[in-house]
Amino acid sequence: DIQMTQSPSSLSASVGDRITISCRASQSISRYLNWYQQKPGKAPKILIFAASNLQSGVPSRFSGSGSGTDFTLTISGLQPEDFASYYCQQSYRTHWTFGQGTKVEIK
Amino acid sequence: QVQLQESGPGLVKPSETLSLTCSVSGGSVSSNSYYWSWVRQAPGKGLEFIGYVFYTGTTNYNPALNSRVTISMDTSKSQFFLKVNSVTAADTAVYFCARFMTMIVGDYFDYWGQGILVTVSS
Repeated sequence: DIQMTQSPSSLSASVGDRITISCRASQSISRYLNWYQQKPGKAPKILIFAASNLQSGVPSRFSGSGSGTDFTLTISGLQPEDFASYYCQQSYRTHWTFGQGTKVEIK
Repeated sequence: QVQLQESGPGLVKPSETLSLTCSVSGGSVSSNSYYWSWVRQAPGKGLEFIGYVFYTGTTNYNPALNSRVTISMDTSKSQFFLKVNSVTAADTAVYFCARFMTMIVGDYFDYWGQGILVTVSS
């Protein structure tokens, strides 16, 4: 299995802040890395696919970068609706695996 | 607009079989581009991939659950199914069905059901 490790597990931030969430794969996954946002009681929603491609309809304040084993999700100018949990997911191997999640809370 | 909807019992007894159905509307299930998947989330925990079925019937399962899981599909009804045998309290979770899309520029879960909470308890 490819293990995905996110950091931090949680963070507190204010509206307008720039935040970064990291995701590390246990082996190289090229750019087969996706990011999802999940709000309480809801299904996950795709934000970024293939490491840096913004899904249609997702605000441009979300961006992704990285390749190989290290990836980053950045939110530039946090908005109230961005307080949620975020998950990375590798699609390099067909036993797809997720990171453990990062919860973004209001400071 | 593609929609997925899970259905099935919300309560299952320990050692019994969990059975769920995912009904797909608004799009074809018989495409080379889609893998019809199940993902679960234990209360307060992260997301766990269970497995998928391709429209041809090909399946792939999480090795951690492999021996207890069966995923199948009825393309004529645009439905796919999950069975988990010999459940324990550790199988208590919200179960999501989801479509995994593959394309040249990337592969990802693009549509999800709303999720169904299944509790394992006597």
